[in-house]
Amino acid sequence: QLQLQESGPGLVKPSETLSLTCAVSGGSLTNSPYHWGWLRQPPGKGLEWIASLHFSGRPYYNPSLNSRVTISMDTSQNRFSLRLSSVTAADTAIYYCARLPMGFPNCFDPWGQGTLVTVSS
Amino acid sequence: DIVMTQSPDSLAVSLGERATISCKSSQSVLYSSNNKNYLAWYQQRPGQPPKLLISWASIRESGVPDRFSGSGSATDFTLTISSLQAEDVAVYSCQQYFSLPLTFGGGTKVEIK
Repeated sequence: QLQLQESGPGLVKPSETLSLTCAVSGGSLTNSPYHWGWLRQPPGKGLEWIASLHFSGRPYYNPSLNSRVTISMDTSQNRFSLRLSSVTAADTAIYYCARLPMGFPNCFDPWGQGTLVTVSS
Repeated sequence: DIVMTQSPDSLAVSLGERATISCKSSQSVLYSSNNKNYLAWYQQRPGQPPKLLISWASIRESGVPDRFSGSGSATDFTLTISSLQAEDVAVYSCQQYFSLPLTFGGGTKVEIK
């Protein structure tokens, strides 16, 4: 059964870079045609798609975050990562990684448990 | 961007009764070449990540109880829980995957009356 697990610092200072990793088990990142993605959910608010990537393709970013976001993949470790630069309090959220089942764009299934990242000095 | 608007924000339903959630998109998410609606529904129980319930507007995922059903087309969609159970207490969200950026509705909280 495919499982995803996010990891990274729970606290990031304003103006710094948030870095998260998603470890994938029970399946391979190179298993085409799956894409992989990051999403977030500010406390008490709705879900926001951040970025997606296929192991052999170009990344896709939400334009609202485009200039600050980088998604990357380490197929040897079967994990993918998110970097979000110049963070502010508005970036405080639960960050999820997820798989897109068949192709892109698509919906998300399954999801990791999520990791809370707080931006505060 | 396609804006997804859900209503109501919350609803309280008695056990065994029907719950109906609406999701409207600012543009059609129906792809004419394959007649598919690029619309998904998720369930998010308290403290849990979202779980995909329905894709393509009306296709239940494996293992999802048949009391959950999705309907609608183009810009107007509905998620119906035909007989609410205690384990259905959750926030339900819709998502369009017709175009980028992928966008979600604000969510509807379902509680027991």
